[in-house]
Amino acid sequence: GENVEQHPSTLSVQEGDSAVIKCTYSDSASNYFPWYKQELGKRPQLIIDIRSNVGEKKDQRIAVTLNKTAKHFSLHITETQPEDSAVYFCAASNQGSSNTGKLIFGQGTTLQVKP
Amino acid sequence: KAGVTQTPRYLIKTRGQQVTLSCSPISGHRSVSWYQQTPGQGLQFLFEYFSETQRNKGNFPGRFSGRQFSNSRSEMNVSTLELGDSALYLCASSLRGANTGELFFGEGSRLTVL
Repeated sequence: GENVEQHPSTLSVQEGDSAVIKCTYSDSASNYFPWYKQELGKRPQLIIDIRSNVGEKKDQRIAVTLNKTAKHFSLHITETQPEDSAVYFCAASNQGSSNTGKLIFGQGTTLQVKP
Repeated sequence: KAGVTQTPRYLIKTRGQQVTLSCSPISGHRSVSWYQQTPGQGLQFLFEYFSETQRNKGNFPGRFSGRQFSNSRSEMNVSTLELGDSALYLCASSLRGANTGELFFGEGSRLTVL
């Protein structure tokens, strides 16, 4: 079945450094890849997503890259700030299939940004 | 507009009991998905309902079931509770489906099984 693997499970960086979180997916039909951020005690919220017709998408300090051949995608956060500390989840789905297009999440990465 | 509302927020049950959780989606959203969140396991997909029909199902035992009403509100039920069912249960609504765009999550129902 569909599977999404996410690494690392925990990541600690100094404020101002970059952080990279990587995910691999098993279903080659996957074509929609969102990333969610969950701050402590709060609900997950979408921060960025990418569709398979593009290889990279950027939004201010956040960027996501996609390698369809290798079936992996990554989240890049530059100039990290303490408020970036949270759990980040990647996910993958087949956007074109209403009956089989489950959105499957990775296990999550706890990012700690030390001031 | 109002966000996704889940009730109850917290509940404690004992093994063998059953529990029903409720989720009211954002107005106009026809899709409701349910996820189980536990430390180290991330967000595990339970099922998705769209216009009162179960559209997708995850790999959970039959003790976990759900339904969706005509007003898009959804309930999930867990029967014969086990200790391992202790978790945060999140529901999320979306306009056209979980695989097509942004999910809006509720705050979750935290279930403790003793």
